[in-house]
Order: sequence, then C-alpha cells, then structure tokens
Amino acid sequence: TQLLEQSPQFLSIQEGENLTVYCNSSSVFSSLQWYRQEPGEGPVLLVTVVTGGEVKKLKRLTFQFGDARKDSSLHITAAQPGDTGLYLCAARGYGQNFVFGPGTRLSVLP
Amino acid sequence: DAGITQSPRHKVTETGTPVTLRCHQTENHRYMYWYRQDPGHGLRLIHYSYGVKDTDKGEVSDGYSVSRSKTEDFLLTLESATSSQTSVYFCAISEGGPYNEQFFGPGTRLTVL
Repeated sequence: TQLLEQSPQFLSIQEGENLTVYCNSSSVFSSLQWYRQEPGEGPVLLVTVVTGGEVKKLKRLTFQFGDARKDSSLHITAAQPGDTGLYLCAARGYGQNFVFGPGTRLSVLP
Repeated sequence: DAGITQSPRHKVTETGTPVTLRCHQTENHRYMYWYRQDPGHGLRLIHYSYGVKDTDKGEVSDGYSVSRSKTEDFLLTLESATSSQTSVYFCAISEGGPYNEQFFGPGTRLTVL
C-alpha cells in the first residue's frame, strides 16, 4: 500500500501571511492531486499535476510536483480567511485509483 | 457543481443492523467510488465501480459490499454494522483518463451505537 505523508498536520496563521504545505511519499506516482475540503462538505479538486518538476499556479496558490514524482508542495501567498480548510493530497500509482494523505488543517485568522 | 447526491445525509443505527447508503449521479460518469473519512486517516477507498455491475475492492473493503445496477446509482451496504464503521462516507465520480478528476458528494455521517 502506497502511503502519503502530509506536513504540517495543523497550521494556524494570520491573514496576509504566506505558507507552504507538503505531501511526501517513498513511492513514485503517475500523477498527484490537491483538494480542499470545508467542514461538512466533500473535497473539491484544486489541481492535478502529472509531470515531474511541473509547477501550476491558481491565483494565489502555487503547486509543484517533485522532479522524482514522489512529493509535492502547495504554497499560498497572502493567505485569506477563505483559504481555511483541510488540504488533502492524493496520489495515483497505476490504474485509476488514488491514495489520499491524512491532510493539513489550515486556519487563517482575520 | 457535479450532480452527485448521497442519501441519507445522517444516520444513527445500532450494532448488528444492516445499513445501505446510496449515491446518485446525473453526470453519466463511468467510475464511482465509496470512501470513508476518519480523523488522521484522510480518505480511504472502500470499493469502486468501473461500469454497471463491474466493481472491485479498495483498501478497507472488509464488512462492506456494493452494487451498481444502473450507471447513475452506486449502493454501499454494511451487512451488519459495527461501531468501527462509524465514519463519514463520501461518494465520488470520475470519467477516468490520465487526469481522472474526481468529484465528491456531500457525504453521509453514519453513527453505529
């Protein structure tokens, strides 16, 4: 079973600060996804990265897939209270299924 | 938003009783998934379906069964519920392919007393 680790587990910051969360594994993945989940709702897909070294930007969010396709990071610039939520990474090995990490719970205080 | 509904949204039941959760989609997506979410574990795959009457086990399938008789419906059954199956259950759908973007339903919170 492929395992994903996410760090930090919890993060509480002030509005306007920058932050980076990480997703790591010892396995190589064909692709990796990042989701955000708000309380009482299902996860919502933010991005899919498929190429080693790939960088994708979504407004204030920057996603990077490691060169070896074993890790990924999510960087948020000038965090806002609306960024609060649980950030999950999900990695795909072979086939159509993904393995999810335990998540990073982010709280952005106004 | 993708058209995915789950029913019921909340359920409290007793140990040993059978429970069926329903996932319904209006997107005509090929793949459907059932996950459970527990603190510290993220989402764990229970079963998935890659077509009508085509299903396979996921990471935590013991104690669960599924059925898919129509493209739009995917049922998850707990034959005899146990307290360890208290969790939040999410259904997801996808079209497969290289990106395999999954769209999740709102979840069902199940409590087994």
